[in-house]
Parts: sequence; structure tokens; C-alpha cells
Amino acid sequence: EAGVVQSPRYKIIEKKQPVAFWCNPISGHNTLYWYLQNLGQGPELLIRYENEEAVDDSQLPKDRFSAERLKGVDSTLKIQPAELGDSAVYLCASSKGQLAVGDEQFFGPGTRLTVL
Amino acid sequence: QKEVEQDPGPLSVPEGAIVSLNCTYSNSAFQYFMWYRQYSRKGPELLMYTYSSGNKEDGRFTAQVDKSSKYISLFIRDSQPSDSATYLCAMSEGGTSYGKLTFGQGTILTVHP
Repeated sequence: EAGVVQSPRYKIIEKKQPVAFWCNPISGHNTLYWYLQNLGQGPELLIRYENEEAVDDSQLPKDRFSAERLKGVDSTLKIQPAELGDSAVYLCASSKGQLAVGDEQFFGPGTRLTVL
Repeated sequence: QKEVEQDPGPLSVPEGAIVSLNCTYSNSAFQYFMWYRQYSRKGPELLMYTYSSGNKEDGRFTAQVDKSSKYISLFIRDSQPSDSATYLCAMSEGGTSYGKLTFGQGTILTVHP
């Protein structure tokens, strides 16, 4: 079974430029998560989707960050404009979404963003 | 103060040693407790999860939860060089917030031959 796919793996941009990250979850997984992981820190949830619906976006900085999950499968996370402090790893995860004990989240390898 | 505190280490042990990793937390609503392992340049992978207080064992790994002390532990027996990674604890309140994980900052572990 293929895992969570993310692209690109690495991205270097200059500040004030836009950037987008793409995620393809595991087939059949209804729930999709975007996390931010700063160096030396644990992941922090940015947004959670149940199918097409964003059910928790309370931690998403909406002034510059946006996300979408069209048709309840793939998802894109965008930053516009990027700031120096956005340099981090952006992780995508997916789960079956059963809201039951053992609903494991599977993580992709992440996109490492460097803002110069 | 962060909701979940984890000693970042780094921790270096010889092969075969018993490793103890710990987290403390402040949110008494946390009910689900997990340990993830993250290799360099990879995403985290779930090692173990426990519900409420108690112990859970899986091979060389044992997870303990003490809700009265708001303290969780992961023990690794007979540690191997392949166990070298960052270990992250994570917690959730459950219910509709089950998928909302709060992570510790991770402990870097190196097991040397």
C-alpha cells in the first residue's frame, strides 16, 4: 500500500514569494491533516479535513496561509507571501477518520521549506 | 508553559541498554497517549498508543501512563543502533478532538554499537 505522498520534498524561495505544497493521502483515508514542524520541535497541527470539510483550522494563520481539499482526496497548502519565519517542514498526514480508538495517523515525508 | 513537555536530550546509550523516555503534560482532558518515532528526513511513525492509565507492551517497547501524575513513559529494552531516532510523545483529548494531537518537542536518541 502506498504511503502519503508529498511534493515537492524541498523548496527554496525568497521572502514575499508564494509557495504551494501538495499532498496525496493513503487511498480510502477520509481525514487529512497538515502539520508544521520547526527544527527541534514536534509537529503542530495547522488544519484537519474530514473529506472536503475543514473541521479544525484554528491554528492556521489565515492572513497568509490557505488550504483546500477538492473532491476529498488530494490537498494543497499555500503560503502567500512567505516570511522568513515560515522556514520549516510541512507534514501531511492521513487517517481512516473513524473517530475511534486506534485511528492511526500516517505521515508523509514532509516538504522542507527554506525562505531566504 | 507548553501543554506537553519533553526532555529534548540528546540521549546517547550503548547497544543493549534500557532506554527511558518521558513526557509530562498539563491538560487533564488528555485521554489518548502515543509515541512516535521519527528518523531523519522522514515523517513520524506510530510506535504505540495507550488509552487512559496503565501499561502496554509490544516487543521491546513498553508504554506507561500515569494520569494522576500527568506523566507518560516509553521504555526500550535491549536497544539497537536501528532505534536511533527522535522519539515524540503525542496526546489527544478524544471524542471529536481525537485526531487533534499535541506533540512534545521530541527526544533525540542515539544507540551506539
